[in-house]
Amino acid sequence: DVVLTQTPPTLSATIGQSVSISCRSSQSLLHSNGNTYLHWLLQRPGQSPQLLIYLVSRLESGVPNRFSGSGSGTDFTLKISGVEAEDLGVYYCVQGTHAPYTFGAGTKLELK
Amino acid sequence: QVTLKESGPGMLQPSKTLSLTCSFSGFSLSTSGMVVSWIRQPSGKSLEWLAAIDWDGDKYYNPSLKSRLTVSKDTSNTQVFLKITSVDIADTATYYCARLLTTRAFDYWGQGVMVTVSS
Repeated sequence: DVVLTQTPPTLSATIGQSVSISCRSSQSLLHSNGNTYLHWLLQRPGQSPQLLIYLVSRLESGVPNRFSGSGSGTDFTLKISGVEAEDLGVYYCVQGTHAPYTFGAGTKLELK
Repeated sequence: QVTLKESGPGMLQPSKTLSLTCSFSGFSLSTSGMVVSWIRQPSGKSLEWLAAIDWDGDKYYNPSLKSRLTVSKDTSNTQVFLKITSVDIADTATYYCARLLTTRAFDYWGQGVMVTVSS
């Protein structure tokens, strides 16, 4: 199975600070059809995960544009440009290029 | 408006069969490209993809659990089911169903149902 390694495991930020989360894959996530099926989820405390970014860099409808995704191959990054209180929770990367779907271990974003 | 909701027994004993139901609205599983997946999350841990069924009735399983899983859907295409046989304590988790699009992204999730396996 593809292993997704997220760093850091925990991130402390102040409101307004910009932060980045890394997701590295054990295999290239570029599919033979040209798509890269790497997505980002946020799970707020006590809630279900929600989709933030899909296909590396596409913003899901309704998600604030302070969230952005980038990367290719095996290295991907989620950036939050100006953390807000509602952004606190655990961020997961997930891949769908290689069966089975796999998730990263998560990065917990907390207030400093 | 797309919604999904899981239901299940809450608690069951080791070696029993766990039966879960995902009831959804706002989309039809008969629509080409639609897929519903099951994902679980032990308390305080990450997520694990379990199984999926698509609009054509094709089924997909995580190889690590395949021998114990059965996913199915109803004829009205408004419910998806998951059965897990021979459960043990390691199957204690919150179980989610989620919609999966052709982007292979889980765009809508249910609220989750907590299942505890205990004697």
